[in-house]
Amino acid sequence: DQQVKQNSPSLSVQEGRISILNCDYTNSMFDYFLWYKKYPAEGPTFLISISSIKDKNEDGRFTVFLNKSAKHLSLHIVPSQPGDSAVYFCAASTGTGTASKLTFGTGTRLQVTL
Amino acid sequence: DTAVSQTPKYLVTQMGNDKSIKCEQNLGHDTMYWYKQDSKKFLKIMFSYNNKELIINETVPNRFSPKSPDKAHLNLHINSLELGDSAVYFCASSQEGTGDSPLHFGNGTRLTVT
Repeated sequence: DQQVKQNSPSLSVQEGRISILNCDYTNSMFDYFLWYKKYPAEGPTFLISISSIKDKNEDGRFTVFLNKSAKHLSLHIVPSQPGDSAVYFCAASTGTGTASKLTFGTGTRLQVTL
Repeated sequence: DTAVSQTPKYLVTQMGNDKSIKCEQNLGHDTMYWYKQDSKKFLKIMFSYNNKELIINETVPNRFSPKSPDKAHLNLHINSLELGDSAVYFCASSQEGTGDSPLHFGNGTRLTVT
């Protein structure tokens, strides 16, 4: 019962180009969506989030788009840099306050080439 | 001055043994978590604690017992280890829930049961 899906296990993009990472979800009760970035042998680090009442959130080179009717979100990185090479996890949250919990996708490995 | 630190980083042990993983956060957060990343790369919540009180217990076998001596520490004790317990275990903390309060993860403990 995988409620958050990242169907592309890997993505390769040239430096300077746009990286687009996709995520689909099935649970309409999710009210917050987050992207985490993970380097090898480290824990995931928070990147950007979006509330279900919005359709776009931007932070520097990173923009997250949410399409609630399609139950789809995407992370755009532009321009892509070699340091962006990592595994990106999409996550979705239900519940409020201390009872809320995150459901993660299985990640997409982004490789930014020179 | 690592924000969320967990020890040990690697743990190799035999079936049937009992082991503990320790976690400490210096962020002043009220909520701490244990997540498990299995061989298929799913990151799944196991437990959450808020101010030393158990909030979430995600149908984890009772061989797993979390203990929170204070709100800055959340340890995980595992009894009678099984082969299927092999995974990477991540500790995390957040100020309040996970909706709009991102998780801060430790670097993980890779547990190998032989």
